[in-house]
Amino acid sequence: GAVVSQHPSWVICKSGTSVKIECRSLDFQATTMFWYRQFPKQSLMLMATSNEGSKATYEQGVEKDKFLINHASLTLSTLTVTSAHPEDSSFYICSARDNAGGHWVSNTGELFFGEGSRLTVL
Amino acid sequence: GQSLEQPSEVTAVEGAIVQINCTYQTSGFYGLSWYQQHDGGAPTFLSYNGLDGLEETGRFSSFLSRSDSYGYLLLQELQMKDSASYFCAVSPNTGFQKLVFGTGTRLLVSP
Repeated sequence: GAVVSQHPSWVICKSGTSVKIECRSLDFQATTMFWYRQFPKQSLMLMATSNEGSKATYEQGVEKDKFLINHASLTLSTLTVTSAHPEDSSFYICSARDNAGGHWVSNTGELFFGEGSRLTVL
Repeated sequence: GQSLEQPSEVTAVEGAIVQINCTYQTSGFYGLSWYQQHDGGAPTFLSYNGLDGLEETGRFSSFLSRSDSYGYLLLQELQMKDSASYFCAVSPNTGFQKLVFGTGTRLLVSP
């Protein structure tokens, strides 16, 4: 199956600093990637859709100036949490579909997820 | 919008069969998916229903009834390693590629 890699796996930072999380599709091209946030014992909440070569599409209630998303290539999307605060501490997970050549490789609805990045803001 | 509700927790013993329900309110979607997530890990795909009916994949089966706005995941011959969180999810027809997840069900399998 398609492999999505996320880095770093965990990060601790001071309040007010910015943190960048990378998401890479290792064996396929992904024109679109998705960023989710998950608090302990809760569901995955979609934050934004990252589009290669264009602006990200944010879900309602997500601050686009706080969560900067860049999708500069077909295999890399980055999420930058700017001026992080303790309430931003969470598990951030990226995902992508393998839609090689613009056509769905599979129509099973499968999303491939990165390993996740656990952010702790002190 | 989309709203998918699941029971928060289900308990069962090894070897048993358990059903995890998912009821939804949505303006339209392409299909219903199920994912498994172990603590601290990434979600992994289990099953997908594009059409009404039952889909079987080994010990796991999934069912969808659009007329009843309802689906379920059936896990047979439960094993300890099945203890995890399970999420239903839909691909809304307003944005086919993305997935919107249900509230999640924590399954605890005991010996």
